[in-house]
Amino acid sequence: DTGVSQNPRHKITKRGQNVTFRCDPISEHNRLYWYRQTLGQGPEFLTYFQNEAQLEKSRLLSDRFSAERPKGSFSTLEIQRTEQGDSAMYLCASSPKREAYNEQFFGPGTRLTVL
Amino acid sequence: RKEVEQDPGPFNVPEGATVAFNCTYSNSASQSFFWYRQDCRKEPKLLMSVYSSGNEDGRFTAQLNRASQYISLLIRDSKLSDSATYLCVVSRNYQLIWGAGTKLIIKP
Repeated sequence: DTGVSQNPRHKITKRGQNVTFRCDPISEHNRLYWYRQTLGQGPEFLTYFQNEAQLEKSRLLSDRFSAERPKGSFSTLEIQRTEQGDSAMYLCASSPKREAYNEQFFGPGTRLTVL
Repeated sequence: RKEVEQDPGPFNVPEGATVAFNCTYSNSASQSFFWYRQDCRKEPKLLMSVYSSGNEDGRFTAQLNRASQYISLLIRDSKLSDSATYLCVVSRNYQLIWGAGTKLIIKP
């Protein structure tokens, strides 16, 4: 399968715990994105990498959230001291670098439930 | 007001009918435009890009009106498998800005 993969697919945690999610993009894509989606809403942008450089972070990404892409391949998103409001689907997407269009391809997501 | 607005629906449509969705966006600097489809509890999948001249892909036709900042999607001869949420998306540089989606239910 050459699509975007994410692990784990589901995560249930207690409030206050730390969680880490992984994303493996399509191999030839140098752009990688993290989004958060809650029920009945479209995805909300969290952060963006071009290769290993994190070029943009949304104001939604509080200091409890950190993302890395150390070798420009896979990426991790860590949430520290989770809160119930962090419960959501966390989506990763990747895209090739194209000037005109920005078609992004999504992984299956990690569904986080904070109890 | 959201940057990308869509009617949330649901649209309940009999199989074989034609259905149209509309979307408006507020930022004239938006550069490219897409329709994504999302099935329940699944990730969004690109349905089609939307070009200024309008474009068609089988039963699906997308139109863009930059002057009115309006995007549409037409589905002809709807199938049961078309039931999903359709998300209107605009792009500026690297970022995608999403509508909340329109839910479509095709009834036999």
